[in-house]
Amino acid sequence: AQSVTQLGSHVSVSEGALVLLRCNYSSSVPPYLFWYVQYPNQGLQLLLKYTSAATLVKGINGFEAEFKKSETSFHLTKPSAHMSDAAEYFCAVSGYTGFQKLVFGTGTRLLVSP
Amino acid sequence: NAGVTQTPKFQVLKTGQSMTLQCAQDMNHEYMSWYRQDPGMGLRLIHYSVGAGITDQGEVPNGYNVSRSTTEDFPLRLLSAAPSQTSVYFCASSTGTGGTGELFFGEGSRLTVL
Repeated sequence: AQSVTQLGSHVSVSEGALVLLRCNYSSSVPPYLFWYVQYPNQGLQLLLKYTSAATLVKGINGFEAEFKKSETSFHLTKPSAHMSDAAEYFCAVSGYTGFQKLVFGTGTRLLVSP
Repeated sequence: NAGVTQTPKFQVLKTGQSMTLQCAQDMNHEYMSWYRQDPGMGLRLIHYSVGAGITDQGEVPNGYNVSRSTTEDFPLRLLSAAPSQTSVYFCASSTGTGGTGELFFGEGSRLTVL
C-alpha cells in the first residue's frame, strides 16, 4: 500500500525567496512519485514525476524535486518564487507493480507575497 | 486536443435529487477514475475503471455509481444527493497497466447539495 504525507497545509514565502514544499511517502513497492499543481478554479496539472531514472527531477516553471530513498522523501523546490507560483501543490505516489492507482497527499497551499 | 472533458462545470441540487456527472477522454486511455476534493482532505478516490465493462470502488464509494460502456466515457451518478456530497469532482485518466500511473485531469465539476 502507498501513502503520502505533506508537511504544512500552508507555506508562505516572499517573491524571490526559496520555495520548499515537503513530501514524505510510504510504499511497499518501489514508487513512482509525482507533484501536481492546481491553480484557482482549475484542474490539476503535472509539474514533474520520478519514475526510477534520475533522482533529481526537473519540471515545468523552474521546479525540481529530489528522490531520497533513505529519507522516503520527494521534496519540491524552486530557487526563486514568483507571484504566479501561488497555487495548491499535491504530492502523489503509485507503485510500479501491475496496475497502479495514484494516492494523493492533502495538499500544500503556497502563498507568495510581494 | 480535448484531453479529459467534464460536464457540467457547476451544479446545484436539492437533497434527494439524482444527477450524472459526465466525463469523456479522447486519449484512448484504459484507466479512468473519479476523485472528490474537499478542503484539507486532498483528493479521494471514489470509483475507478481499468477498461470498458470493468469498474471498482475506491476510498469513498458510498452514494455513487459508475459504469464504463465505452473506453471514452465514464459517468458518475449520484442516486440521492446529500449535503455531504457537496464537493468538487475531478475525472482523470491514464494509460493504465504498464504506465507510471500519471493522471490527466479534467477541469472539475463543482457540486452543491442544499
